[in-house]
Amino acid sequence: QKEVEQDPGPLSVPEGAIVSLNCTYSNSAFQYFMWYRQYSRKGPELLMYTYSSGNKEDGRFTAQVDKSSKYISLFIRDSQPSDSATYLCAMSANSNYQLIWGAGTKLIIKP
Amino acid sequence: GAVVSQHPSWVICKSGTSVKIECRSLDFQATTMFWYRQFPKQSLMLMATSNEGSKATYEQGVEKDKFLINHASLTLSTLTVTSAHPEDSSFYICSARGQGGGTDTQYFGPGTRLTVL
Repeated sequence: QKEVEQDPGPLSVPEGAIVSLNCTYSNSAFQYFMWYRQYSRKGPELLMYTYSSGNKEDGRFTAQVDKSSKYISLFIRDSQPSDSATYLCAMSANSNYQLIWGAGTKLIIKP
Repeated sequence: GAVVSQHPSWVICKSGTSVKIECRSLDFQATTMFWYRQFPKQSLMLMATSNEGSKATYEQGVEKDKFLINHASLTLSTLTVTSAHPEDSSFYICSARGQGGGTDTQYFGPGTRLTVL
């Protein structure tokens, strides 16, 4: 079993829909949680960085962490075709530790 | 803030030659830099971690004599692929992490696409 599980998709939704992306993990020591967006042939771009449990909102993006269920989510409101990319979750037990990555979910927003 | 650059963005070389890729943190000091490779439609694979002024720590299965990493300053790390072969063709991405000021997570460069003929 992988430490971090993420459905690779693809996930295809119409423009304007709310998108929900998720990761589950097995290591209860994880405290730092990140979501990255990666366009084709580009490096990943940090979208959200969350410590411990709770919600964090930034514009159309909301990150949720439920440590009791070992489950993290990224919500995208009012999705746009430009949001089409691969979304990777990553996490670590300590800010100085290497990141453990999910496989990435390919998201397609249809105009 | 927290911008990381990579150079070159794309390189083609002949089999047997060596290729150097540079990774720079432009607006923060990177105490730690990471090198990844990524094959098409796959996730990131960590190759090595380097701290400024120290030898790099390589992940299992990564040949340290083939992938030479130098992290000589707080803003520059280099990856040299020695005696490159077609199977080394891949997308190489670096990331940099600072300390405090919002830089204590990994910020990625744009990547370098290496094609070995």
